Amino acid sequence: DVKVTQSSRYLVKRTGEKVFLECVQDMDHENMFWYRQDPGLGLRLIYFSYDVKMKEKGDIPEGYSVSREKKERFSLILESASTNQTSMYLCASSFLGREQYFGPGTRLTVT
Amino acid sequence: GQQLNQSPQSMFIQEGEDVSMNCTSSSIFNTWLWYKQDPGEGPVLLIALYKAGELTSNGRLTAQFGITRKDSFLNISASIPSDVGIYFCAGRESGGGADGLTFGKGTHLIIQP
Repeated sequence: DVKVTQSSRYLVKRTGEKVFLECVQDMDHENMFWYRQDPGLGLRLIYFSYDVKMKEKGDIPEGYSVSREKKERFSLILESASTNQTSMYLCASSFLGREQYFGPGTRLTVT
Repeated sequence: GQQLNQSPQSMFIQEGEDVSMNCTSSSIFNTWLWYKQDPGEGPVLLIALYKAGELTSNGRLTAQFGITRKDSFLNISASIPSDVGIYFCAGRESGGGADGLTFGKGTHLIIQP
């Protein structure tokens, strides 16, 4: 079974804090993705990576950065958290051109 | 980015009923995926379709890749309480960037006792 894990299920941070969200997959997938999910807006792609140290911006990259130092791990960084970044964050991974598998999500609240 | 048109937005059905939902796009897709998401959880892959006309089953679930390559359908037969949740379609355009996945906004399935 494909396993995608995320470091935290729930996170509460203060405005201005630096926030790290970690994602690990165990299927040797080349591609990894970070999405945010908000009511009425659906899933929106923040960043993706198709190889170690490679990254591409998605639809809403502003206020976020990513890091992929190892193939199995993809980190999302909020440099200075703001209240409008309160959301559900979902990590996914896939082989190129194949189905994406999602992690359980991190519910982030920024106060 | 582009959005898929997924309908209906929500469904209120009785246990035991069959369910149908669909997604349509203005673009031609080479992949259709169907996911289910429970509250507070990540989406779980149900069915993946890669060929126009393909019909694939997963237990009581059946999905089809439309012959025009612009739509897909998901059917659930004899619904049970654990089918409650949000069902998402996702499609991939040929040559799309970011591995090209576009998501529908979901169909919220509610089963009335």
